[in-house]
Amino acid sequence: AQTVTQSQPEMSVQEAETVTLSCTYDTSESDYYLFWYKQPPSRQMILVIRQEAYKQQNATENRFSVNFQKAAKSFSLKISDSQLGDAAMYFCAYAYGQNFVFGPGTRLSVLP
Amino acid sequence: EPEVTQTPSHQVTQMGQEVILRCVPISNHLYFYWYRQILGQKVEFLVSFYNNEISEKSEIFDDQFSVERPDGSNFTLKIRSTKLEDSAMYFCASRRQGLSNQPQHFGDGTRLSIL
Repeated sequence: AQTVTQSQPEMSVQEAETVTLSCTYDTSESDYYLFWYKQPPSRQMILVIRQEAYKQQNATENRFSVNFQKAAKSFSLKISDSQLGDAAMYFCAYAYGQNFVFGPGTRLSVLP
Repeated sequence: EPEVTQTPSHQVTQMGQEVILRCVPISNHLYFYWYRQILGQKVEFLVSFYNNEISEKSEIFDDQFSVERPDGSNFTLKIRSTKLEDSAMYFCASRRQGLSNQPQHFGDGTRLSIL
């Protein structure tokens, strides 16, 4: 069964600094997709970024980028120029077919 | 941009009562999901639904739970005889297709409080 692990339950970063959130997963599939979702205190689930496993190029969305290491089954999220509004729970998720698995989440605090 | 909408935003129910949580998925989406998140814990998959039937369900989704798409737009989660441990945030999600590259779009959730 596929599993997603986020080894950092909590992280903090100074405003304007850069932070990296870790995610590893376990799968025997070769063609799958990975996502990062953000859940602010309002508890909405907001898609931040996604990565196709067949693409070697790392996905980027403005201040958000990923470091996808397929062989290592690692999918970390880098947030540059952190802003107070980035404070939230961040969930890594794996998708293959209809199977959609979330990691346990990392709570990110942004310090002014 | 189209959104998944969930109602109510907060539901308070006495233990043992039935509750129905409602969701309106994005109109051209075909795959629908319910997730549960107990406060401070991870998001847990409950059930997926396609073509008017359940396609997959987790161990959490026991006989107490049921889902329905009664009118082609609403997608409901019914919990019969609620228990205290059913208190959680319930998220509905939809996808246009069941392909891996399609992200799930989530509603804002319904906070269910069982007294």
